[in-house]
Amino acid sequence: NAGVTQTPKFRILKIGQSMTLQCTQDMNHNYMYWYRQDPGMGLKLIYYSVGAGITDKGEVPNGYNVSRSTTEDFPLRLELAAPSQTSVYFCASKQGDYTEAFFGQGTRLTVV
Amino acid sequence: AQSVAQPEDQVNVAEGNPLTVKCTYSVSGNPYLFWYVQYPNRGLQFLLKYITGDNLVKGSYGFEAEFNKSQTSFHLKKPSALVSDSALYFCAVRDIWSPGGGADGLTFGKGTHLIIQP
Repeated sequence: NAGVTQTPKFRILKIGQSMTLQCTQDMNHNYMYWYRQDPGMGLKLIYYSVGAGITDKGEVPNGYNVSRSTTEDFPLRLELAAPSQTSVYFCASKQGDYTEAFFGQGTRLTVV
Repeated sequence: AQSVAQPEDQVNVAEGNPLTVKCTYSVSGNPYLFWYVQYPNRGLQFLLKYITGDNLVKGSYGFEAEFNKSQTSFHLKKPSALVSDSALYFCAVRDIWSPGGGADGLTFGKGTHLIIQP
């Protein structure tokens, strides 16, 4: 059982470039999330989804976009990379309201 | 709005001693509370949660946490620390009345580095 899988693990982008962070889960979870983790700041919610075709903004959505065409996949798109987007990004999923979330291993992104 | 405070950036404990990692929260209604652990270059792993019921919650790897509603706290504890417990620990909260109906994400604290010295 793979759980939550994120690719790539590491990436360096130049300012203004675009990229997609991939996230897939094999647990048939309805809820999926994207967080970013900055040193000393904890995790901040970027976007979340309650099911295929439904997405909503979290606390820090600016500069990002998401889509949810299937239950399994929840990619995060950066259109015009900026140094402020240098961070570690985590995808997570959970089954329901009272359940714990499962996290991927993260993508470390550096924008130069 | 919901928030979480972890007042200590780092906690140092000698191996074999009891450990406590502090967490306080603020919510409008009743809280769902979680503890997660993060080892270097890894994602977060679930340790334990409080939803309702007994105030003392037992979780993975011998950890437990006590929910104290009057003090709005949910401190993580372990009777005897191991060197392998060294990691970054996050407390997280969700208000049961949050507008997303439970679908939106948790609010995390900034994390506490736990260092267990041999």
